[in-house]
Amino acid sequence: GEDVEQSLFLSVREGDSSVINCTYTDSSSTYLYWYKQEPGAGLQLLTYIFSNMDMKQDQRLTVLLNKKDKHLSLRIADTQTGDSAIYFCAELGSARQLTFGSGTQLTVLP
Amino acid sequence: NAGVTQTPKFQVLKTGQSMTLQCAQDMNHEYMSWYRQDPGMGLRLIHYSVGAGITDQGEVPNGYNVSRSTTEDFPLRLLSAAPSQTSVYFCASSSNTGELFFGEGSRLTVL
Repeated sequence: GEDVEQSLFLSVREGDSSVINCTYTDSSSTYLYWYKQEPGAGLQLLTYIFSNMDMKQDQRLTVLLNKKDKHLSLRIADTQTGDSAIYFCAELGSARQLTFGSGTQLTVLP
Repeated sequence: NAGVTQTPKFQVLKTGQSMTLQCAQDMNHEYMSWYRQDPGMGLRLIHYSVGAGITDQGEVPNGYNVSRSTTEDFPLRLLSAAPSQTSVYFCASSSNTGELFFGEGSRLTVL
């Protein structure tokens, strides 16, 4: 079955770059997503990448996709305290269902 | 611009009680779904619907029922609540690109 894995925790200093990694198993994934969840709130879409792309940049966010290794990463440049949240990787698989990773808790230290 | 609206935001039930979590969206999305979120387990799909009158099971459907009589509404029913159903529940609707729009969540505690 489909599986998406992420590390559970990441801590960085304010102003540094954060890199959150994700691996997935469904080679037929069409879209891959990064969602952000702040405390007590629902998930908000940060960015997504189509499976035929290697990279997508959107202001401070850079998404890298290695389709051969089924590896997705999200880089946040100049990380700020407001970036502290849980980040979820998700893939849209062959059954048109989204499969989510368990989420990475990003803590930004002053 | 309401998006996806869930009610109630908080609910406490006793084991064996029933309740319905309401979900409504105003974006005319065909696809709607319910997830539960538990610590360290991410979001797991309970049920989903690809249009009015059509529902299907997700990864963890046991103990939950759904119906989809209109495009806008997708209620989730717990017929006999169990402590294992203590969780945060999210309703979501989807555009054609698969982007999910989430409600703010309903926190359910079953004693």
